[in-house]
Amino acid sequence: QKEVEQDPGPLSVPEGAIVSLNCTYSNSAFQYFMWYRQYSRKGPELLMYTYSSGNKEDGRFTAQVDKSSKYISLFIRDSQPSDSATYLCADSGYALNFGKGTSLLVTP
Amino acid sequence: DAGITQSPRYKITETGRQVTLMCHQTWSHSYMFWYRQDLGHGLRLIYYSAAADITDKGEVSDGYVVSRSKTENFPLTLESATRSQTSVYFCASRAGAGNQPQHFGDGTRLSIL
Repeated sequence: QKEVEQDPGPLSVPEGAIVSLNCTYSNSAFQYFMWYRQYSRKGPELLMYTYSSGNKEDGRFTAQVDKSSKYISLFIRDSQPSDSATYLCADSGYALNFGKGTSLLVTP
Repeated sequence: DAGITQSPRYKITETGRQVTLMCHQTWSHSYMFWYRQDLGHGLRLIYYSAAADITDKGEVSDGYVVSRSKTENFPLTLESATRSQTSVYFCASRAGAGNQPQHFGDGTRLSIL
């Protein structure tokens, strides 16, 4: 079992929808959590970086960590076709432990 | 340009051949990493390095060799390529300890026939 579990999707939503992407993690020692976005044939790029529990907002994106349930979420408001990508959650030890990624398609 | 670059971007080779994938970063980051990305497995760590001349194995290191003689370079060598090593390989770097984010290159797509 991977340390970080993520529903692979694919997830298809209409433009303007609110998107919820979710992960669970198993190692309670990890303190830092990250969301990466990966476009086709490109490397992952850092989207959000959070520490501890609570919410962090950056524009249309909100990252949420619930340490009591070991749950990580990413919310995208007013989703755009340009948000179509694979989203990877990760927790941080000496390296990153990635989920398998959720493929998101936002249709016009 | 500043950043992390991988070369080649695409490579086709045959089983049994030695292949080296290059990774170069201009940030002077201490840590560097190699991952492979496969359908159904996501990103898996092959090797990492905390500094020049310090390397350590990751989850899937068998069949791979790394070196780090200079801070900015972290080549990955497949000593005798096998079909199971067909994958997309990503190099990443990080400034310091585990609370810092990693930054990735655009990958090398390797096919072994």
